[in-house]
Amino acid sequence: GQQLNQSPQSMFIQEGEDVSMNCTSSSIFNTWLWYKQDPGEGPVLLIALYKAGELTSNGRLTAQFGITRKDSFLNISASIPSDVGIYFCAGPVLETSGSRLTFGEGTQLTVNP
Amino acid sequence: DGGITQSPKYLFRKEGQNVTLSCEQNLNHDAMYWYRQDPGQGLRLIYYSQIVNDFQKGDIAEGYSVSREKKESFPLTVTSAQKNPTAFYLCASSWGLAYNEQFFGPGTRLTVL
Repeated sequence: GQQLNQSPQSMFIQEGEDVSMNCTSSSIFNTWLWYKQDPGEGPVLLIALYKAGELTSNGRLTAQFGITRKDSFLNISASIPSDVGIYFCAGPVLETSGSRLTFGEGTQLTVNP
Repeated sequence: DGGITQSPKYLFRKEGQNVTLSCEQNLNHDAMYWYRQDPGQGLRLIYYSQIVNDFQKGDIAEGYSVSREKKESFPLTVTSAQKNPTAFYLCASSWGLAYNEQFFGPGTRLTVL
């Protein structure tokens, strides 16, 4: 099936630093979703992107839908300790019964105070 | 408050026993999903349902069963046939399979002893 490749797999940063992560695919997607998962909890939707080139912000988070439609980027500015967690990208895969999401393997973010 | 609830948060079972995980949503969503998450890995789809009394297998359905008798409820049974059942199980819902944004419950951590 279609796979989403996230990088980096993990990041260790100091509080206040900016963070960038990305998600790539060999296939074209018409939607990109970014989720954050706190330890022991379910993922929470951060940003949804629906148009190539789209740049969307949610507070200190900014995500972009790549022009090629095969990638997406998530940036976090001025990181704080509560940014710790796993960040997943996801995109829809079309099937005969509808569409379902495929997820990347996540970027584990650690923020040192 | 609208949302998705999963119970219990932690579940312990002996090897060879079937166990049922609960998932309820009051968002009036048509579609519901079950995912499995293993440490350091992304989310893998077990089963999904777009309408009452109908469901489809995901990527790793072997050893699991589901039912969808009510729109609000989508219980997952982990059977004794599942060879490695210890994992974090996540339930999600969306307006329908054509709607990509999925919303997740808090998860159930199942440990089989």
